[in-house]
Amino acid sequence: KQEVTQIPAALSVPEGENLVLNCSFTDSAIYNLQWFRQDPGKGLTSLLLIQSSQREQTSGRLNASLDKSSGRSTLYIAASQPGDSATYLCAVSKGFKTIFGAGTRLFVKA
Amino acid sequence: GAVVSQHPSRVICKSGTSVKIECRSLDFQATTMFWYRQFPKKSLMLMATSNEGSKATYEQGVEKDKFLINHASLTLSTLTVTSAHPEDSSFYICSARGGASDTQYFGPGTRLTVL
Repeated sequence: KQEVTQIPAALSVPEGENLVLNCSFTDSAIYNLQWFRQDPGKGLTSLLLIQSSQREQTSGRLNASLDKSSGRSTLYIAASQPGDSATYLCAVSKGFKTIFGAGTRLFVKA
Repeated sequence: GAVVSQHPSRVICKSGTSVKIECRSLDFQATTMFWYRQFPKKSLMLMATSNEGSKATYEQGVEKDKFLINHASLTLSTLTVTSAHPEDSSFYICSARGGASDTQYFGPGTRLTVL
């Protein structure tokens, strides 16, 4: 059974700091891994999608890496801003199933 | 990118009533739709998977008679919470799989509060 773990559960950083969010999964046989952002009371916003054959994806200040063999992914956020404050969810897909981690709640202080 | 909508975005109902939530893929055909439930400060839990024109497949522990799912067309799936109770209060999110890249797209969610 696939399990997805995100560390840390919560993170508070000053504005401008670079930070790394971690995601690990137990079954390396995945089709893709996706990072989402969720603001309080809102739905999901897809940030980055990494196919199983890829090692990383970049979008603006965000960079996500994937190491399937070790069952790990990281989301790197450069030069964090208060507007980055949200919950970040990692999700792995295999077939029709997508399993989510519990998320990392990020707070960027101005 | 592809858009998935949900309606309503927020609903408050009395205990014992039934509530229907709609999920629509606006610009692509979704052969498969998924329904998730999210408890406060928890992750999304898959409730069921539905394919157009067939019965939904429910995850273990999800009552199919409680949460009725209908996927009547390639652009619409509905989740009906029957005889709602306060413990059904939650955030429900749907997603639809399809489009050129066969990616899963998520709706904005529906906040259900049962009094």
